[in-house]
Amino acid sequence: AQKVTQAQTEISVVEKEDVTLDCVYETRDTTYYLFWYKQPPSGELVFLIRRNSFDEQNEISGRYSWNFQKSTSSFNFTITASQVVDSAVYFCALSWRTGANNLFFGTGTRLTVIP
Amino acid sequence: NAGVMQNPRHLVRRRGQEARLRCSPMKGHSHVYWYRQLPEEGLKFMVYLQKENIIDESGMPKERFSAEFPKEGPSILRIQQVVRGDSAAYFCASQADRGGNEQFFGPGTRLTVL
Repeated sequence: AQKVTQAQTEISVVEKEDVTLDCVYETRDTTYYLFWYKQPPSGELVFLIRRNSFDEQNEISGRYSWNFQKSTSSFNFTITASQVVDSAVYFCALSWRTGANNLFFGTGTRLTVIP
Repeated sequence: NAGVMQNPRHLVRRRGQEARLRCSPMKGHSHVYWYRQLPEEGLKFMVYLQKENIIDESGMPKERFSAEFPKEGPSILRIQQVVRGDSAAYFCASQADRGGNEQFFGPGTRLTVL
């Protein structure tokens, strides 16, 4: 069975603070993909990153960084020096090589950055 | 290079009416996924289609919901005899091919059932 857990329902930080959004997943597949999407108040879904299960290198993109650890089945997302524009709901998602390849989403973390 | 297009963006229906949601994938993409997002919840997979074929509809309610992706034209998600519980945001995503390539999402259609 596939499962994505985002235990943090809501997080509030003051602007310029760093914040980490947690994502823990479960899957029996050995080949799978992990994603992060951002949903700003306007409602659209913005793709942030994809990581395949064979690539455990951490990635940094500007103020965003991702920490993938297979040993703990986690794919955490850190925003450094947060800004008000980072306020959104962030979804972690999983897809697997076999089957329909659809995305299985976590319930999301609502991040509010206070100016 | 247009992204995924969905229309209408907002749709209001009364109970018992039909709702038709359209999705035009990105150019060159032949895989379409539909997801539903209930208020304050994450997205849930409904159906996966390739041109003219339904590949996986395991997430779709058995009654009143149907989807198609014809050879020509957009993919259509059809909801017959809508009920208040159908009120949600419906997103479609397109993908170039299978194999973990990212899915590009449309802006969504927000369905409100009165």
